[in-house]
Amino acid sequence: AQTVTQSQPEMSVQEAETVTLSCTYDTSESDYYLFWYKQPPSRQMILVIRQEAYKQQNATENRFSVNFQKAAKSFSLKISDSQLGDAAMYFCAYRSAGNNDMRFGAGTRLTVKP
Amino acid sequence: DAGVTQSPTHLIKTRGQHVTLRCSPISGHKSVSWYQQVLGQGPQFIFQYYEKEERGRGNFPDRFSARQFPNYSSELNVNALLLGDSALYLCASSLGRGGTAKNIQYFGAGTRLSVL
Repeated sequence: AQTVTQSQPEMSVQEAETVTLSCTYDTSESDYYLFWYKQPPSRQMILVIRQEAYKQQNATENRFSVNFQKAAKSFSLKISDSQLGDAAMYFCAYRSAGNNDMRFGAGTRLTVKP
Repeated sequence: DAGVTQSPTHLIKTRGQHVTLRCSPISGHKSVSWYQQVLGQGPQFIFQYYEKEERGRGNFPDRFSARQFPNYSSELNVNALLLGDSALYLCASSLGRGGTAKNIQYFGAGTRLSVL
């Protein structure tokens, strides 16, 4: 079974600085997708960024980028120029190519200090 | 366009009771998935429904059931509630059944269930 591990329960960053959130996963599959979701206090999960395993190029979305290391099964999220609105729980998620159920990590709570 | 809507936003039940949670997907989305998020943990997959049929099921007891209606809305039912069923229940909708990067899941704000 696929498992997702987020080893940092909490992280803190100064406003305008850069922070990296870690995620590792375990799978025997070769075709899959990886996601980072943000969950603010409003509870709604918001997609931040996604990566297709067959693509070597790391995904980027504005201030958000990933470092995808397929051999190491690592998928970290880098947030540049952190803003107060980035404060939230961040979840790393894995989804097999053949189905729709996602496996989530336990999450990392990000605090942004002004 | 409206996003994924869930109702109610929160409710309180007692052990042994039954509960029904509702979800309306984004217009045009045919797949609905349900997740349980216990406090301090990541969401866990419960069910996926696509075109009114169950397409996937997580490791949950038979007390949990769901269905999808012709308009693609969905209900999650939980019987004989236990204290451990207290959680945030999230619904996610997507265009298709799965298998492509474009089949992104969009989440609702969830229903907070407290079992006393």
